[in-house]
Amino acid sequence: DGGITQSPKYLFRKEGQNVTLSCEQNLNHDAMYWYRQDPGQGLRLIYYSQIVNDFQKGDIAEGYSVSREKKESFPLTVTSAQKNPTAFYLCASSPPKGEGSYEQYFGPGTRLTVT
Amino acid sequence: GQNIDQPTEMTATEGAIVQINCTYQTSGFNGLFWYQQHAGEAPTFLSYNVLDGLEEKGRFSSFLSRSKGYSYLLLKELQMKDSASYLCAVRERFYKYIFGTGTRLKVLA
Repeated sequence: DGGITQSPKYLFRKEGQNVTLSCEQNLNHDAMYWYRQDPGQGLRLIYYSQIVNDFQKGDIAEGYSVSREKKESFPLTVTSAQKNPTAFYLCASSPPKGEGSYEQYFGPGTRLTVT
Repeated sequence: GQNIDQPTEMTATEGAIVQINCTYQTSGFNGLFWYQQHAGEAPTFLSYNVLDGLEEKGRFSSFLSRSKGYSYLLLKELQMKDSASYLCAVRERFYKYIFGTGTRLKVLA
């Protein structure tokens, strides 16, 4: 079955610690994204990557970092510089140009709690 | 600037029809998407409109008017399992999607 996996589903960290959220896809999609979702707010784009070894900042990239060393993987690191890291994090991917309607496929999400 | 507006919450009865509206103002437009999201889960794709008009998919239909910056999602024959949040999103340019805050739909027996 093709899809996107994120792990873990729940993550707890102490303030001041960096934490890395995993995202893997086997859909053969080039583009991958990280979003943050807070109660009462829409999904906000943190970073996106169009292709391996390339990524771009989204609207709220401060305090986050990413890497894209493999097509299948797009991990997100939440650093201690992120002021309000507690949130629900969603990873997504989308098909290449010319394939389908470009809808995004989402992983199950990681709920990060920092205390 | 960029803005997508949806009602925060709606309530409807099982078996009824409900229409969820979405208005948008974005700097580009390359399609409008509707997603369903159950609490604590991933959004799942429902529909896509890029041209004006109505797209029908079973119990779900979506309408788009680009000149008015307006879309709606129509859900017919409501079922309890339709209780979820419905997200409206615009693809502003190829890799940039703007999401609304979502409409929480409660279906009552």
